[in-house]
Amino acid sequence: NAGVTQTPKFRVLKTGQSMTLLCAQDMNHEYMYWYRQDPGMGLRLIHYSVGEGTTAKGEVPDGYNVSRLKKQNFLLGLESAAPSQTSVYFCASRTDRGTEAFFGQGTRLTVV
Amino acid sequence: GNSVTQMEGPVTLSEEAFLTINCTYTATGYPSLFWYVQYPGEGLQLLLKATKADDKGSNKGFEATYRKETTSFHLEKGSVQVSDSAVYFCALSGFSGGYNKLIFGAGTRLAVHP
Repeated sequence: NAGVTQTPKFRVLKTGQSMTLLCAQDMNHEYMYWYRQDPGMGLRLIHYSVGEGTTAKGEVPDGYNVSRLKKQNFLLGLESAAPSQTSVYFCASRTDRGTEAFFGQGTRLTVV
Repeated sequence: GNSVTQMEGPVTLSEEAFLTINCTYTATGYPSLFWYVQYPGEGLQLLLKATKADDKGSNKGFEATYRKETTSFHLEKGSVQVSDSAVYFCALSGFSGGYNKLIFGAGTRLAVHP
């Protein structure tokens, strides 16, 4: 069972470059989330989606954009990467409110 | 808005010691509460959960009770093992700003020594 799959797993970008992180889930979940994890700060919510075609801002949305064109995919875009966006990014999905979330393995992004 | 506060780490224990990691929350309504665990180099995995007041979640010897009167969900284990070394996150699921969000605490690193 694949669960939640994130690609790529590692990436190094130069300042100003753009990239897209892909999250795919095969569990038919409605809710999907993008978090970033930084030392001492836990997981902070970047953007989330409550269904196909919908997105909403989380705690730290600046510098990121998202799209949910298909229910199984949630894309996170960085239009112009900055060193402050160096982090580990996690995607998660779940069926509905109150249920557990399933996480991907993470994407380690370094911006130099 | 909703928030989760958990004790700072790292917590360092000897094998077979008793573990408590404190977690308190702020939320409107009746959130669901979770503990997740993250092993080195991996994503988060659900450890246990509780969906209403006085519920006790338990798994792998860990347990936590949903205390609405003290807005707490403290994680406990009677006898820790070296293999329990990981980062533990307390989380809540509740409505904020019109949507149901999943909010995490900062995480507590646990190191267990033989």
